[in-house]
Amino acid sequence: QVQLVQSGAEVKKPGASVKVSCKASGYTFTSYGISWVRQAPGQGLEWMGWISAYNGNTNYAQKLQGRVTMTTDTSTSTAYMELRSLRSDDTAVYYCARERGVVAIPTTWYYFDYWGQGTLVTVSS
Amino acid sequence: DIQMTQSPSSLSASVGDRVTITCRASQSISSYLNWYQQKPGKAPKLLIYAASSLQSGVPSRFSGSGSGTDFTLTISSLQPEDFATYYCQQSYSTLPITFGQGTRLEIK
Repeated sequence: QVQLVQSGAEVKKPGASVKVSCKASGYTFTSYGISWVRQAPGQGLEWMGWISAYNGNTNYAQKLQGRVTMTTDTSTSTAYMELRSLRSDDTAVYYCARERGVVAIPTTWYYFDYWGQGTLVTVSS
Repeated sequence: DIQMTQSPSSLSASVGDRVTITCRASQSISSYLNWYQQKPGKAPKLLIYAASSLQSGVPSRFSGSGSGTDFTLTISSLQPEDFATYYCQQSYSTLPITFGQGTRLEIK
């Protein structure tokens, strides 16, 4: 069965960096993209960016450009999200999600069909 | 960016009720609209994709409709396990992908 298993909770000081991992199993890793979505305490869902596990292409949310880097390691079927220069408002649960595309000619429908369990990142001095 | 606005923001209902949640996009997104359910402390779960296609394993009491800018998620007969927060998400423009602010469905 498809699983996305994320790394554990982190506590960081302002200005530090964090790297969250997302290990995939149960499917061909390079056949799907991975998006990262975060959720601040009591708030809604915010898309952070996407990476193709096939070729490493990325798209990042403009507000995070320059602070976020998404990578993959196809040898271990693991996706990574690194966020730098952390601020208190980066405190959130970070999720990875598999992006599936269903072809329905002439278009393709994209959605997030599997999610990791979430990783709480707390930024506090 | 495409803004997604859900209404209501919260809703109280009883088991057995029929419930409708609305999602409006700031521009036409065709049928590139997905719905998710999230329970406290859990990751979101996909319910509906492409505005009206039921994800495998999701009960048939959930249905979606709409196209263009106006969409609805309907639960035909609320069950106790349906009390959660629901989010719409557009995939028409992927830079960025955007979600609605969520609708919290509570027990009356």
